[in-house]
Amino acid sequence: NAGVTQTPKFRILKIGQSMTLQCAQDMNHNYMYWYRQDPGMGLKLIYYSVGAGITDKGEVPNGYNVSRSTTEDFPLRLELAAPSQTSVYFCASSYSTSGLSSYNEQFFGPGTRLTVL
Amino acid sequence: ILNVEQSPQSLHVQEGDSTNFTCSFPSSNFYALHWYRWETAKSPEALFVMTLNGDEKKKGRISATLNTKEGYSYLYIKGSQPEDSATYLCAFRRAAGNKLTFGGGTRVLVKP
Repeated sequence: NAGVTQTPKFRILKIGQSMTLQCAQDMNHNYMYWYRQDPGMGLKLIYYSVGAGITDKGEVPNGYNVSRSTTEDFPLRLELAAPSQTSVYFCASSYSTSGLSSYNEQFFGPGTRLTVL
Repeated sequence: ILNVEQSPQSLHVQEGDSTNFTCSFPSSNFYALHWYRWETAKSPEALFVMTLNGDEKKKGRISATLNTKEGYSYLYIKGSQPEDSATYLCAFRRAAGNKLTFGGGTRVLVKP
């Protein structure tokens, strides 16, 4: 299993450009998440998905969009890049079943380092 | 907004010494407390998931305790080694939700 994969690893964008960060998992996890990591701030949840076709906002969703057309893929879209979106982005996934105890250990991808100039 | 705080933000430890640091979280609606280890240029990896007040977990030289009534968890590293150098993240999960709220992390540097 590849686990959680993310592409690209690095990217530099100009202000106002758009791009999509790709995330895929092969563990058949139903939950997927996007986080951003700013220095000294830990991880902030941008968006998450509980299954194909279902997405919801996290703590810091402004400036981002997501979609979840398949169980495996959860791309993150930046429409108009701003310097405030310079960060390291992590995708994660977990498996949760309703009605059973599930402690939701999350598995993380390697991250995408994005710089907006 | 949930407040999950870790202290200290960073610490330097001499090889062979033991150390510990704290994660504090809301004491209401507790469901689970996660600890992750995050090495530079890698992705976070799960260490422990703690669910019951008084829980103690151990993995090699690393252990953790949990107090849900007062809202804190300690992570201990016994006999620190250079390979223990990493950022240690805690994450709080409230009841009726699968989202994790992360603390800012404690960055540990073990000096030979």
